[in-house]
Amino acid sequence: GAGVSQSPSNKVTEKGKDVELRCDPISGHTALYWYRQSLGQGLEFLIYFQGNSAPDKSGLPSDRFSAERTGGSVSTLTIQRTQQEDSAVYLCASSLMANYGYTFGSGTRLTVV
Amino acid sequence: DAKTTQPNSMESNEEEPVHLPCNHSTISGTDYIHWYRQLPSQGPEYVIHGLTSNVNNRMASLAIAEDRKSSTLILHRATLRDAAVYYCILRENNNAGNMLTFGGGTRLMVKP
Repeated sequence: GAGVSQSPSNKVTEKGKDVELRCDPISGHTALYWYRQSLGQGLEFLIYFQGNSAPDKSGLPSDRFSAERTGGSVSTLTIQRTQQEDSAVYLCASSLMANYGYTFGSGTRLTVV
Repeated sequence: DAKTTQPNSMESNEEEPVHLPCNHSTISGTDYIHWYRQLPSQGPEYVIHGLTSNVNNRMASLAIAEDRKSSTLILHRATLRDAAVYYCILRENNNAGNMLTFGGGTRLMVKP
């Protein structure tokens, strides 16, 4: 597709379960970013992948959060032992190269009950 | 990243121009000024960016003060679809690249 695709669009999970969120960036985009946005709040940076470089994980809120990007394309954000405070919209963005503009996906709305 | 200051909210009438201000008094010489907007229930979308000179594209214009300590995003004719949160972000241009840091933005309300 032409845009950034995220799946699922909505996810409801029980507290303590693990979840995986997927991001398909625009083909050829070397940079990929994960953010999250709690209800009524701004965007919080989580992690950044640039080409084959080591990812910038400085925004991950705890060791329950991890992400990988396979083959420089698809990325998966994993949250282990989910907590209610993890409820948010998780947004993925990609850009052609570092310092280029971002294209965001529509996000995954995660609800932990 | 240097910080930006934006009003929390603004109102505009449909089909009138809108000027969204942003202050960035601590901007450095290598910082680009980026604007994104986030429509309800969507991810943010790129609007425009610039360094020193004013910029125009199909979505908006960006007017940058001569001392670069402030900038203004201009929507020439607001429509109801322009109701969104507008983010002004400074981004250092370096070879390593870096992530955008989103602040609170300005919530623009457009009245019919």
